[in-house]
Amino acid sequence: DVKVTQSSRYLVKRTGEKVFLECVQDMDHENMFWYRQDPGLGLRLIYFSYDVKMKEKGDIPEGYSVSREKKERFSLILESASTNQTSMYLCASSSGVGGSYNEQFFGPGTRLTVL
Amino acid sequence: AQSVAQPEDQVNVAEGNPLTVKCTYSVSGNPYLFWYVQYPNRGLQFLLKYITGDNLVKGSYGFEAEFNKSQTSFHLKKPSALVSDSALYFCAVRDATGGYQKVTFGIGTKLQVIP
Repeated sequence: DVKVTQSSRYLVKRTGEKVFLECVQDMDHENMFWYRQDPGLGLRLIYFSYDVKMKEKGDIPEGYSVSREKKERFSLILESASTNQTSMYLCASSSGVGGSYNEQFFGPGTRLTVL
Repeated sequence: AQSVAQPEDQVNVAEGNPLTVKCTYSVSGNPYLFWYVQYPNRGLQFLLKYITGDNLVKGSYGFEAEFNKSQTSFHLKKPSALVSDSALYFCAVRDATGGYQKVTFGIGTKLQVIP
């Protein structure tokens, strides 16, 4: 079974702090994704990566950055956390390249609260 | 641009009755279509996908979905609902046109199965 793990289930941070969310997958997947999930807005893509050291902006990249130094690990960074970044953050991975239609496998999520 | 619409925030159905969760999509080319389910306090799980071929797709837990190109729909169905089916359901689409394409998720439909 594919396993996608996220470093924390719950996280509480202060406004202005730099926040790191870590995601690790164990199935050698090429593609990794970061979403945020908010009631009434569904899942919105923040960033994705289709290869080591490669990254692409999603729909809402502002205020976030990412890092993929190793194939299995994809980190989401909030440079200066703000209260409007309070949300559930979901990491996902999938296999295949380019035009792949393979499904995504999701981690359990990190509920981030910014005070 | 691609998009997904899930017109119902919530669907209520009695246990044992058939259920339908609606999804319509918009893409410039041919679609790849997906359904995911999120049980309370858990990450998203893949249910089924349509890539090409037979318009009726069967997936996990007895669910199926019908691709209708003329109506640009991909409704999720199950002949007999279980209380354990109560969850949040997400439809997703990506354009099958070549090259890397992100997946766009709908806002989700909450399914409540009443005993």
